Amino acid sequence: SQTIHQWPATLVQPVGSPLSLECTVEGTSNPNLYWYRQAAGRGLQLLFYSVGIGQISSEVPQNLSASRPQDRQFILSSKKLLLSDSGFYLCAWRAAPGQGDSPLHFGNGTRLTVT
Amino acid sequence: GENVEQHPSTLSVQEGDSAVIKCTYSDSASNYFPWYKQELGKGPQLIIDIRSNVGEKKDQRIAVTLNKTAKHFSLHITETQPEDSAVYFCAAADFPFTGNQFYFGTGTSLTVIP
Repeated sequence: SQTIHQWPATLVQPVGSPLSLECTVEGTSNPNLYWYRQAAGRGLQLLFYSVGIGQISSEVPQNLSASRPQDRQFILSSKKLLLSDSGFYLCAWRAAPGQGDSPLHFGNGTRLTVT
Repeated sequence: GENVEQHPSTLSVQEGDSAVIKCTYSDSASNYFPWYKQELGKGPQLIIDIRSNVGEKKDQRIAVTLNKTAKHFSLHITETQPEDSAVYFCAAADFPFTGNQFYFGTGTSLTVIP
């Protein structure tokens, strides 16, 4: 069966520091991968998605970037964090179109607090 | 693109009562409608989904109904229990969707009062 791992679970970082959040998926190949952000008490905002290695689409221009160095690895980064980057970051995956109907499956998220 | 609206934003029910959450969508091409439950501090988990060729689907105490003509779908939870307290999200997609074509509602915070 497929599993998704996100780490760290919580993170407190000062303003201006760099960020690296990692997500890996097991049990599937060539998944579509997603990064979402959720502000406190708010909905799900899509930040980036990837349909393959090195292929990143950005949904919201901002202080963050994403990379997909390996098929099942998705990384969210920032060179200099802002206070407004605080939030709950969720990684998600789905099977690529053509590999069967698949909804989005989410990891358990990273709670980022920028101080 | 698709626009998914979800109501109510908050809902409180007594334990044992039923809870209903409603969503509407705008794109008639959407054909897949999942529901997610998000417990505090966790990621959303898929609890039930329905395709457009089906009008209703049940799984124990939860059910989803779909009205394609009116473009709305609903989540029904019967005999609610305190562990049903969570945020629920609806979504719509045009399977087999690609990339970013998976649209979420804004969420409903359900509280079940013991």
